Amino acid sequence: RKEVEQDPGPFNVPEGATVAFNCTYSNSASQSFFWYRQDCRKEPKLLMSVYSSGNEDGRFTAQLNRASQYISLLIRDSKLSDSATYLCVVNDAGYALNFGKGTSLLVTP
Amino acid sequence: SAVISQKPSRDICQRGTSLTIQCQVDSQVTMMFWYRQQPGQSLTLIATANQGSEATYESGFVIDKFPISRPNLTFSTLTVSNMSPEDSSIYLCSVELTGAGANVLTFGAGSRLTVL
Repeated sequence: RKEVEQDPGPFNVPEGATVAFNCTYSNSASQSFFWYRQDCRKEPKLLMSVYSSGNEDGRFTAQLNRASQYISLLIRDSKLSDSATYLCVVNDAGYALNFGKGTSLLVTP
Repeated sequence: SAVISQKPSRDICQRGTSLTIQCQVDSQVTMMFWYRQQPGQSLTLIATANQGSEATYESGFVIDKFPISRPNLTFSTLTVSNMSPEDSSIYLCSVELTGAGANVLTFGAGSRLTVL
């Protein structure tokens, strides 16, 4: 199985800061890309899909760079409630989703 | 979106025993999946549970160790057989999220298994 690599962190940032995570994937044929959020001892939940043109949802912006095979997630104006692990997810073929190990974010007061 | 109920939420088991995890969805879904998340690791797909036929297993996972049932479009079970401490993990049931596009999944709350 192809790899999805993430910096595990933790990223410690103060409230209100802007933080960005990158994720690289090795399979150039990958078709779909997502960011999931996983709170401590909880199941992963979809944060946003990542489109080729980039997309924004409130304070969250996701971008895809196919040439360099990475996706990014930018969080503006960080809130305490943003503290979680962010999972990069790539679809290689069919229904097989390839998960990264996650990047841990801690937003402090 | 579908609501997934998984049970047990957690269990502590003895080496050599087997545990069956149940996954109930509040609506009919075509695709149901079983994932494993070992401590500090990424989620790994164990198998796709197919209604009315044998499950499709990913590389490294076999039916004898992880038998799966899928009797209808709302229910599936995963059994972890002849457990060893290496099977200690979170096991997650998931289904494709309706209307959100292909490959978007929603997960059950997971079953946290500890094998002594």
